[in-house]
Amino acid sequence: ILNVEQSPQSLHVQEGDSTNFTCSFPSSNFYALHWYRWETAKSPEALFVMTLNGDEKKKGRISATLNTKEGYSYLYIKGSQPEDSATYLCAFDFGNEKLTFGTGTRLTIIP
Amino acid sequence: SQTIHQWPATLVQPVGSPLSLECTVEGTSNPNLYWYRQAAGRGLQLLFYSIGIDQISSEVPQNLSASRPQDRQFILSSKKLLLSDSGFYLCAWSAPGQATNYGYTFGSGTRLTVV
Repeated sequence: ILNVEQSPQSLHVQEGDSTNFTCSFPSSNFYALHWYRWETAKSPEALFVMTLNGDEKKKGRISATLNTKEGYSYLYIKGSQPEDSATYLCAFDFGNEKLTFGTGTRLTIIP
Repeated sequence: SQTIHQWPATLVQPVGSPLSLECTVEGTSNPNLYWYRQAAGRGLQLLFYSIGIDQISSEVPQNLSASRPQDRQFILSSKKLLLSDSGFYLCAWSAPGQATNYGYTFGSGTRLTVV
């Protein structure tokens, strides 16, 4: 059984503060790691696909890092805004077209 | 541009009744298609995966089945629903060989409550 763990499960952050959360995955047979944002009443939306150890990707105020040797990825949000409230999912990719998702981190930004 | 449609958005069904959820993709051909479920307090679990018409793999043993009668249509079914089938069902697609490059595109989901 493949374990993709995300922590924390939920997080409340004051507007304007920065935050980060973790995705842990098996360090063997790594192919890629995906991050998605899932806003309430919407579809999950792809944020990043990361393939190389040491990779860092950025999209506006959101960035992600990848450590394949130790099996973790961090997602950072700088200067949180109310529109950042969502569940953030990571997904492990074996390279076989099928993604295994973590349980997600539910982020709530407090105005 | 490609779009994915999933319906219905919500469904309340009694135990023992049949189920049919439909998903269609437009603007692409021969997509990989997926059904995922999120049960209460759990992550997205892959139920079925299809790389073509009549090419469907089941990822977990369960009370559900999937069919792909047309290239861009993916249907999730059950003959008799169980309480444990309640959850949020998401359909997704990816271009063949491109899931790693671009990830999935998800539908809007169906919330199924079995009562």
